[in-house]
Amino acid sequence: DQQVKQNSPSLSVQEGRISILNCDYTNSMFDYFLWYKKYPAEGPTFLISISSIKDKNEDGRFTVFLNKSAKHLSLHIVPSQPGDSAVYFCAASGGYSTLTFGKGTMLLVSP
Amino acid sequence: EAQVTQNPRYLITVTGKKLTVTCSQNMNHEYMSWYRQDPGLGLRQIYYSMNVEVTDKGDVPEGYKVSRKEKRNFPLILESPSPNQTSLYFCASSWTGVETQYFGPGTRLLVL
Repeated sequence: DQQVKQNSPSLSVQEGRISILNCDYTNSMFDYFLWYKKYPAEGPTFLISISSIKDKNEDGRFTVFLNKSAKHLSLHIVPSQPGDSAVYFCAASGGYSTLTFGKGTMLLVSP
Repeated sequence: EAQVTQNPRYLITVTGKKLTVTCSQNMNHEYMSWYRQDPGLGLRQIYYSMNVEVTDKGDVPEGYKVSRKEKRNFPLILESPSPNQTSLYFCASSWTGVETQYFGPGTRLLVL
């Protein structure tokens, strides 16, 4: 049973516009959420995180929103840049020792 | 330079031949973990270690062993590899838990 779901395998956005990547989870014990970005032939790199005590966290062009009642989080990238083209993984943890990833969403930002 | 290194980066082996993938970090991190990435499945956690001599299973530990004798090293051992362990493996480390993990470059393993 998939506990972290990224239902969109891919997303295409024009440069300068907003990219919104979505993630749903089923395990109510999850209390910490992260987004990782991955380029081909490289390891994932940490992007942004949010604790369940917050509903929003911002870091430059990246904002993560958490809706606990809907068990949904989203990553907003504004403005999107061609260098943002990568696979984005949503991940969730309950207890800070184990991490469950979604399957990823491939973002393509075209000039 | 702060980094997580993995060796080898690419490996082709045959069923049943024991192998070890090494992982080393130079950031004095306490937490280390192994993941595998497979098409259509994302990343799945194999094992993790909260500190030296402390290891525990992740979601997919079957067929793997780990050890943590020193803080900087966390090798992944496949005692008897099988074709379903063909995958891309990532090692990661962080200060205390799953926050802000630093990932290695990956090891691509093919088991024939």
